[in-house]
Amino acid sequence: EDKVVQSPLSLVVHEGDTVTLNCSYEVTNFRSLLWYKQEKKAPTFLFMLTSSGIEKKSGRLSSILDKKELFSILNITATQTGDSAIYLCAVLGGGSQGNLIFGKGTKLSVKP
Amino acid sequence: KAGVTQTPRYLIKTRGQQVTLSCSPISGHRSVSWYQQTPGQGLQFLFEYFSETQRNKGNFPGRFSGRQFSNSRSEMNVSTLELGDSALYLCASSLALAGADTQYFGPGTRLTVL
Repeated sequence: EDKVVQSPLSLVVHEGDTVTLNCSYEVTNFRSLLWYKQEKKAPTFLFMLTSSGIEKKSGRLSSILDKKELFSILNITATQTGDSAIYLCAVLGGGSQGNLIFGKGTKLSVKP
Repeated sequence: KAGVTQTPRYLIKTRGQQVTLSCSPISGHRSVSWYQQTPGQGLQFLFEYFSETQRNKGNFPGRFSGRQFSNSRSEMNVSTLELGDSALYLCASSLALAGADTQYFGPGTRLTVL
């Protein structure tokens, strides 16, 4: 059965810390891996990764994919209280009709 | 540019009824994806429509169906509602297929089944 596992499930850090969120997957016919940030209601799209070893960056956030070891990490440097959110990882895989499988998310709390 | 809109925002139904939710994508976007979010299961993918054709599909029963119109607006229908269908239903739009392009989410429709 296809699955996406995120770790840790929750994390509490202080402003200025650097955090690394993990996402491992076992999905048939991998196509892409996506990261989202969910603060209150609707998620916000962060990154889409399809190739191993190519880092995607957006400000203090960066992400990289390892298709050999089947995982991705999301790094946040110099964390701010506004980074507090649930970070979701999803993998698009499957047959002719693909399925987007989500992990349970990592709840990040950044304390001032 | 207007964002993704979903109607209605809140809905209360009873078991056995059916419901139709609507999603209007960002102008020019041709892909609309639907998701169900519950506290227990988290975010789950329902299906995606692109140019009026279902392109991707999650593991939901046939009671969940959808369609997309020529103007890219999409509707999702749930028949024979069950208590477990109570959830936040989100839609997202993108220029290209989900997983290949940035997605923009709507505010969601909160469905309560009594």
